[in-house]
Amino acid sequence: EPEVTQTPSHQVTQMGQEVILRCVPISNHLYFYWYRQILGQKVEFLVSFYNNEISEKSEIFDDQFSVERPDGSNFTLKIRSTKLEDSAMYFCASRQGAGNTIYFGEGSWLTVV
Amino acid sequence: GESVGLHLPTLSVQEGDNSIINCAYSNSASDYFIWYKQESGKGPQFIIDIRSNMDKRQGQRVTVLLNKTVKHLSLQIAATQPGDSAVYFCAENIMEYGNKLVFGAGTILRVKS
Repeated sequence: EPEVTQTPSHQVTQMGQEVILRCVPISNHLYFYWYRQILGQKVEFLVSFYNNEISEKSEIFDDQFSVERPDGSNFTLKIRSTKLEDSAMYFCASRQGAGNTIYFGEGSWLTVV
Repeated sequence: GESVGLHLPTLSVQEGDNSIINCAYSNSASDYFIWYKQESGKGPQFIIDIRSNMDKRQGQRVTVLLNKTVKHLSLQIAATQPGDSAVYFCAENIMEYGNKLVFGAGTILRVKS
């Protein structure tokens, strides 16, 4: 069964460093998302991406965050200068069409120290 | 506003009993709803979905009920098994917000053997 894959599964980084989280969405999907989940809390929307541009972003997704689809398969989330409060599990997700199920990857656990 | 909330943060059931997990949503523009199961350290796993033009949908051992009048969603799990122990999230798809999913707070389901 096709799945969303994410790398790395876990990353520890120093505060102020740049981090890039990578995702390979399901191949025929057109909508891409990043969500995050702070330990013990609910899954929070960060950004949606469609047709090579951001379609919506949340208040969390400030100027320190950016997304890119550099080629036909990868979808990346960059955090330019990490803060302690960026420590969370980051989930990539994709869907085939606007009304279809959204499938999530297993997540990248980011720890900022 | 856009908010999805859950009535019961923790639900404990005996193995073999039926479980009912409830969810309230507030956005009348939501057109699609999904229940996800999340096990510790893993990504949200799709369980079942329902569109706003339906009031009931059944899967294998699971049933989702949608009451648009009171903006209520429930997940019924028949013959609950220890492997069902997880956090369950409802999520609503909001077309007017770029087709993003908004997650509820989550309910912990504990199955006692």
